[in-house]
Amino acid sequence: EVQLVESGGGLVQPGGSLRLSCAASGFTFSTYSMNWVRQAPGKGLEWVSYISSASNTIYYADSVKGRFTISRDNAKNSLYLQMNSLRDEDTAVYYCARDWGKNFQHWGQGTLVTVSS
Amino acid sequence: EIVLTQSPGTLSLSPGEGATLSCRASQSVSSSYLAWYQQKLGQAPRLLIYGASSRATGIPDRFSGSGSGTDFTLTISRLEPEDFAVYYCQQYGTSQYTFGQGTKLEIK
Repeated sequence: EVQLVESGGGLVQPGGSLRLSCAASGFTFSTYSMNWVRQAPGKGLEWVSYISSASNTIYYADSVKGRFTISRDNAKNSLYLQMNSLRDEDTAVYYCARDWGKNFQHWGQGTLVTVSS
Repeated sequence: EIVLTQSPGTLSLSPGEGATLSCRASQSVSSSYLAWYQQKLGQAPRLLIYGASSRATGIPDRFSGSGSGTDFTLTISRLEPEDFAVYYCQQYGTSQYTFGQGTKLEIK
């Protein structure tokens, strides 16, 4: 069974940093591209970032470019999102999602990031 | 960036009725990269339809997708109580993924 478990969320002040992790199991992690998708409270879904299976292709949404960095460790079956210079509008539940043909086939349950002073 | 506009914003129907949800793109989208998701309150989204018309694993056949170019439709025949949720369309193009703003399907 495919499982994606996010962690690392919490309360952080504006301008601060946070690193999210996503632990994958139940599939061969190293052969799948992965994504981060977020959802602000009461709002819709927003794609954040994509990383290919070998980390050689990376995309970001314009809203996070230059502030967030996606990475992965295939030996540890883990996906990461380093978030710097956080803003109030980054407050959201962050989901990791397995990519399949440019769709989000499997999702974790999400981790809440709250940016507030 | 391709903008996806979903309509209606809210759809009020009764169990047993059929539902038609629309997703319109600001420019042509590859049908291969158009998907639909269902999200229930407090849960992660679930992939329903990919490639505009193919059902994901385990999705009942009362869910169907259609369309091409800039106009896509999700149809739910014979609504079940568990179908009342928020539905999102999503596309991929030129290194960017975008979602529609969602359609809330509520019980009338």
